[in-house]
Amino acid sequence: EAGVAQSPRYKIIEKRQSVAFWCNPISGHATLYWYQQILGQGPKLLIQFQNNGVVDDSQLPKDRFSAERLKGVDSTLKIQPAKLEDSAVYLCASSREVGDSYEQYFGPGTRLTVT
Amino acid sequence: DAKTTQPTSMDCAEGRAANLPCNHSTISENEYVYWYRQIHSQGPQYIIHGLKNNETNEMASLIITEDRKSSTLILPHATLRDTAVYYCIVRVNNYGQNFVFGPGTRLSVLP
Repeated sequence: EAGVAQSPRYKIIEKRQSVAFWCNPISGHATLYWYQQILGQGPKLLIQFQNNGVVDDSQLPKDRFSAERLKGVDSTLKIQPAKLEDSAVYLCASSREVGDSYEQYFGPGTRLTVT
Repeated sequence: DAKTTQPTSMDCAEGRAANLPCNHSTISENEYVYWYRQIHSQGPQYIIHGLKNNETNEMASLIITEDRKSSTLILPHATLRDTAVYYCIVRVNNYGQNFVFGPGTRLSVLP
């Protein structure tokens, strides 16, 4: 079974520029998550999708961040314009609910550096 | 905010058991205890989860106290590859509930 794929793995941009990240979840997983992980901290949920609908985006800075999951499969996360404090690893995860298990599978992440 | 507290860091000798504690004194009766780990430069990886009973799988054992206010993750024979940050999370297994990660415990397995 292929894992969660993310691209690019690394990105360096200047502040006020735009950037987009792509995620392809595990086949058949209806739920997709985007997390932001700042160095030294645990991952923080930005947005959760169930198929192509948003379940939770309460921690997404909507003035600059946007995300979509067209057709309920792949997803993109965009930052426009980027700030220095957006430097972090952006993780995508997917899950399917089976019984009492909500195990999440994470991708390798995209490391963003804003200069 | 995370509902759990964990030590910031721990060391363990290679080949010995690693016992990672987690306090979750405000856990609700319908909240599960999940453990994930994150090896350097990788995404977090699921280890194990449980509600009341102790659980064991090929990776680890999870021991939950009778009052459910704390738990311990046990890696029976730690190897150098088990060096990682370990996250303890409590979560209701309902649609829409997300995982709240704290800073975790940084486990260093020493040769």
